[in-house]
Amino acid sequence: GAVVSQHPSWVICKSGTSVKIECRSLDFQATTMFWYRQFPKQSLMLMATSNEGSKATYEQGVEKDKFLINHASLTLSTLTVTSAHPEDSSFYICSAPEGQGVGETQYFGPGTRLLVL
Amino acid sequence: SQELEQSPQSLIVQEGKNLTINCTSSKTLYGLYWYKQKYGEGLIFLMMLQKGGEEKSHEKITAKLDEKKQQSSLHITASQPSHAGIYLCGADSRGSQGNLIFGKGTKLSVKP
Repeated sequence: GAVVSQHPSWVICKSGTSVKIECRSLDFQATTMFWYRQFPKQSLMLMATSNEGSKATYEQGVEKDKFLINHASLTLSTLTVTSAHPEDSSFYICSAPEGQGVGETQYFGPGTRLLVL
Repeated sequence: SQELEQSPQSLIVQEGKNLTINCTSSKTLYGLYWYKQKYGEGLIFLMMLQKGGEEKSHEKITAKLDEKKQQSSLHITASQPSHAGIYLCGADSRGSQGNLIFGKGTKLSVKP
């Protein structure tokens, strides 16, 4: 079945550094991928929609200059947290849809836990 | 490892009818989330349940968590075409590699 991978699975970094998270669809192509963020004891919140070949669409309240998204190919989207601060510590998860319309199935990556010291 | 099983996998209902989607966990749920996804879009958070017996409502959608905290149901009253999409349950998973696990989703179609 379809699989979505994320790398790294967890990362610890110093405040002020940038962190790149990769999301890959392993056996299908995804023109669109979604990035989510979860805070402890809170819901998964959609951050942005990554579009292959065009700019990402950000949800309200998400800083696009802070969270850079690049959909480099039909199987890879990257999320870069720039100048990370402790408040950016969270669990980041991506998903990619396979198929269209009623045939669509959403596949989730395993998530990346980010801890900014 | 903990798993979430959703039923039914797909559902077609006539507009105006009520429907129920179930989410069953193999282990005790510490936090249960319901999401809706429209085709081609990302997940939209609907509700979160934590306490056994808890029930929450959002417009015409009601979700319940059973007393044993292993099953949740999502009930839509008087369904409308705007309710169509994929409904996913998600849960905080303790002891697995990731923090969240998801059911496979229930695809809902509402016929006008």
